[in-house]
Amino acid sequence: EDQVTQSPEALRLQEGESSSLNCSYTVSGLRGLFWYRQDPGKGPEFLFTLYSAGEEKEKERLKATLTKKESFLHITAPKPEDSATYLCAVQAYTDKLIFGTGTRLQVFP
Amino acid sequence: SAVISQKPSRDICQRGTSLTIQCQVDSQVTMMFWYRQQPGQSLTLIATANQGSEATYESGFVIDKFPISRPNLTFSTLTVSNMSPEDSSIYLCSVAGDSINYGYTFGSGTRLTVV
Repeated sequence: EDQVTQSPEALRLQEGESSSLNCSYTVSGLRGLFWYRQDPGKGPEFLFTLYSAGEEKEKERLKATLTKKESFLHITAPKPEDSATYLCAVQAYTDKLIFGTGTRLQVFP
Repeated sequence: SAVISQKPSRDICQRGTSLTIQCQVDSQVTMMFWYRQQPGQSLTLIATANQGSEATYESGFVIDKFPISRPNLTFSTLTVSNMSPEDSSIYLCSVAGDSINYGYTFGSGTRLTVV
């Protein structure tokens, strides 16, 4: 069964304190792994798509990496505005996305 | 990427009633997806809606409870029928991006509370 597990469930960081979020997955044929950001009361906002092991993508303070079993979202020198829930999702050879339960990130000044 | 307008943004409903949620996309799309996000949980796919055909429901979701319409390539509705407090969730619609590089775009969600 296709499955996505994210850790930690919640993460509190001081502004400027870098860290990583983990997304472990099992899927029968990975078509893509997606990272989303979700703010309270809003729909998920697309961040990255990763396709194959070894791939990396960056956007501002965020960097996503992918191996055959997991993905990491590295946050470098976070700011309070980076506070949100970060969701990971995988897509097998269908159009269906399977989401993890997310990591709730709080960055304090 | 596509822009989705979803409404209502929130509603409080009495048990036993029904609520219809609307999603309007600013471009034509083949498939639209409906998700549920229960409190503290992740997104779960309810069904996939193609224009001109019946929606495809995921395990645990049935048409009688969540009827979906897809009258054209830019619009879809999801109805939550005969509601109970367990239906209190955020409901979201989604469409695929122009390419996989753009992921999937989501509406802003409908926060439903059933009392």
